[in-house]
Amino acid sequence: GAVVSQHPSRVICKSGTSVKIECRSLDFQATTMFWYRQFPKKSLMLMATSNEGSKATYEQGVEKDKFLINHASLTLSTLTVTSAHPEDSSFYICSARVLEPQREALNIQYFGAGTRLSVL
Amino acid sequence: AQSVTQLDSQVPVFEEAPVELRCNYSSSVSVYLFWYVQYPNQGLQLLLKYLSGSTLVKGINGFEAEFNKSQTSFHLRKPSVHISDTAEYFCASLSGGYNKLIFGAGTRLAVHP
Repeated sequence: GAVVSQHPSRVICKSGTSVKIECRSLDFQATTMFWYRQFPKKSLMLMATSNEGSKATYEQGVEKDKFLINHASLTLSTLTVTSAHPEDSSFYICSARVLEPQREALNIQYFGAGTRLSVL
Repeated sequence: AQSVTQLDSQVPVFEEAPVELRCNYSSSVSVYLFWYVQYPNQGLQLLLKYLSGSTLVKGINGFEAEFNKSQTSFHLRKPSVHISDTAEYFCASLSGGYNKLIFGAGTRLAVHP
């Protein structure tokens, strides 16, 4: 099956610093990756859609200058939380969509294990 | 707008009992539906999917779901649960443009001995 690796699994940082989270598709190529945020005991909120070689598409209400997304290759997307503050503390999850010639396979997202960000 | 509703926020059940987690969707176009499971402090794992074909879909870990177009439902079932099934379960559908997953609020399945 398709494997998505997310790193780090947990990060603690001081307020004002920047944190980078990596999302890698290990055994497939992904032209599209997605970044979600999940609050405790809540569902996933889509933050942005990351497309290889182009600018990310952000959802309404998500600050693009705050959450920088880079998708430089078909297997790697990064999310950088800039000048992090305690309110940015959350569980961040990425997913990757399989790149296959078959239409049905295009619609399946595989998820990373998530990153727990704690900003002090 | 497309939406997914999970009717139960929590479902407690005893071990080896059957369970049904309910999911209803709203969409006026072709529907692709998914069930994901999330264990504590982990990402989401795909349990099963309905893309087309047979309305009864079998997934991993003994779960199955039935797509019911007339009732706009995609309920998840398992005939006999284990303690290890305790987790959060999310129902999701693809948006009309097939680009975004729309998630339900999640159902917490708690299996008791």
